[in-house]
Amino acid sequence: AQSVTQLDSHVSVSEGTPVLLRCNYSSSYSPSLFWYVQHPNKGLQLLLKYTSAATLVKGINGFEAEFKKSETSFHLTKPSAHMSDAAEYFCVVSELGSSASKIIFGSGTRLSIRP
Amino acid sequence: KAGVTQTPRYLIKTRGQQVTLSCSPISGHRSVSWYQQTPGQGLQFLFEYFSETQRNKGNFPGRFSGRQFSNSRSEMNVSTLELGDSALYLCASSLTGRPQETQYFGPGTRLLVL
Repeated sequence: AQSVTQLDSHVSVSEGTPVLLRCNYSSSYSPSLFWYVQHPNKGLQLLLKYTSAATLVKGINGFEAEFKKSETSFHLTKPSAHMSDAAEYFCVVSELGSSASKIIFGSGTRLSIRP
Repeated sequence: KAGVTQTPRYLIKTRGQQVTLSCSPISGHRSVSWYQQTPGQGLQFLFEYFSETQRNKGNFPGRFSGRQFSNSRSEMNVSTLELGDSALYLCASSLTGRPQETQYFGPGTRLLVL
């Protein structure tokens, strides 16, 4: 069965320090994995995605994620947090179902940045 | 290219009424998906349309329905509104809806049911 677990509902870091948002997944097949960001009162924007190419994926705004099949993880990182990174982050797994894609969103991680 | 647009952006209805939300996908995108976002349940998949056919459906009651037109624009309808239907409804489009494709989200329609 397909599922996504975001291990932290809220992460708070100081500006300029590293960010780590954790995501574990389960999937029956070879999934595609995504990280989306949602700023307050806005829609979701793609940060990065993994689709069975390079396991280290670089995204926008300095974010990157590493696909680790052995650990079934797809953690999101950024070396240095910026105030504008404060938002909700969603890990998403997508795989082919019987007739169409099956897409599951994680419960989200709210990232706060301390000045 | 213009992004995904949703209308209206805000809506207030009372219990028992019905509501129709509209979504215009990115030009050339043929797959449109709808999601409900609430603080308690998070983001939940409602349904996906491709070439005017519902191809995928989430676990929602029959009060939630949708359709897609030949120009790929999509509408979502909720009948007999309940207080629990208050949510942000997000629409997303992609080229064909394959698992590896990026979904592009609209800004959402915020529905408040009184």
